[in-house]
Amino acid sequence: AQTVTQSQPEMSVQEAETVTLSCTYDTSESDYYLFWYKQPPSRQMILVIRQEAYKQQNATENRFSVNFQKAAKSFSLKISDSQLGDAAMYFCAYRSGETSGSRLTFGEGTQLTVNP
Amino acid sequence: KAGVTQTPRYLIKTRGQQVTLSCSPISGHRSVSWYQQTPGQGLQFLFEYFSETQRNKGNFPGRFSGRQFSNSRSEMNVSTLELGDSALYLCASSFQGSRTDTQYFGPGTRLTVL
Repeated sequence: AQTVTQSQPEMSVQEAETVTLSCTYDTSESDYYLFWYKQPPSRQMILVIRQEAYKQQNATENRFSVNFQKAAKSFSLKISDSQLGDAAMYFCAYRSGETSGSRLTFGEGTQLTVNP
Repeated sequence: KAGVTQTPRYLIKTRGQQVTLSCSPISGHRSVSWYQQTPGQGLQFLFEYFSETQRNKGNFPGRFSGRQFSNSRSEMNVSTLELGDSALYLCASSFQGSRTDTQYFGPGTRLTVL
């Protein structure tokens, strides 16, 4: 079974600064997908970014980028130019590419605080 | 296009009762997944339905069940409620639940069991 670990329960960053959230995962599969989801106080989960394991290039979405290290099974999220609206719980998630279905395995989450 | 909707948003029940939660996916989406979120256990996968068939099931007791209708709307049912069932129940939909699909989440149903 796959596991996802987020070792930072809480992180804080100053507005306009950069912060990196860590995620490691364990799997024996070679085909899989990794995601970062954001859950603000409203509790609505929002997809931030996704990475296909077969792609060596790190995914980027505006101010959000990942550092995907497949051999190390590491998938960190970098938020540049942090904004107050980035404050939320961030979840790292794994989805198999070798079995059917949409099942996501989530990490424990990292609570991000953005200080003005 | 409207997002994933879940009803009701909040629910209070007592132990031993049963409850039904509803999820309407984004129009055109045929895959619906359910997750339970609690402070202690985090986010855990309950089950996934695609074209009215359960495709995947998580490690939850048989008190948790679900179904999907021909219009892709899904319901989950919890019978004989326990205090530990208090949680945020999230529904997510995707086009076909394929490996390349993106899942979109609803706002959740907050269930409190007294």
